[in-house]
Amino acid sequence: SQQGEEDPQALSIQEGENATMNCSYKTSINNLQWYRQNSGRGLVHLILIRSNEREKHSGRLRVTLDTSKKSSSLLITASRAADTASYFCATNPKIIFGKGTRLHILP
Amino acid sequence: GAVVSQHPSRVICKSGTSVKIECRSLDFQATTMFWYRQFPKKSLMLMATSNEGSKATYEQGVEKDKFLINHASLTLSTLTVTSAHPEDSSFYICSARGGEARGEQYFGPGTRLTVT
Repeated sequence: SQQGEEDPQALSIQEGENATMNCSYKTSINNLQWYRQNSGRGLVHLILIRSNEREKHSGRLRVTLDTSKKSSSLLITASRAADTASYFCATNPKIIFGKGTRLHILP
Repeated sequence: GAVVSQHPSRVICKSGTSVKIECRSLDFQATTMFWYRQFPKKSLMLMATSNEGSKATYEQGVEKDKFLINHASLTLSTLTVTSAHPEDSSFYICSARGGEARGEQYFGPGTRLTVT
């Protein structure tokens, strides 16, 4: 069974707006990672947050982790057309992915 | 970040033939490599985990005799799809992780396999 599940499944927003995606997982983790995948391409690692961290920033990305709720969120601020992709969360030690959130940035 | 390459990026083969896909970590030693397959607009499905020098651990439902994995060195793992069938057509992605079990995984760009 899948460890991570992203929500929503699809999200369309206007360029410049912020996009928020959520991820829930089932068992205890060492860390949680977010990845981006453009259509038909491999995965690009975005950010890793460890189980003892609550928030982490990287450029326009902000990730939060709530281990008590077994959930994480990814916020992309000031979205751009190039952010259009599918976003997945994955957990360690055994990385299992959810179905992803398909983000579409409207011009 | 670290770089993982896959070769080939795209392959078309006939039913019944075998296809080998290579996964290389280019700038770090990968003690553990993972193989996934992904169907269109679907999540990645972990197929197997391999540690250098030991046999791969396959996920439930994955045929080890059909998907042969070899992790002969700290920078190379191979996945061989034996006696390929059209239903094996998929996007295969590998990832590699260094010595720290809590560390990041780096993914290859994927290999698109089409079996005719």
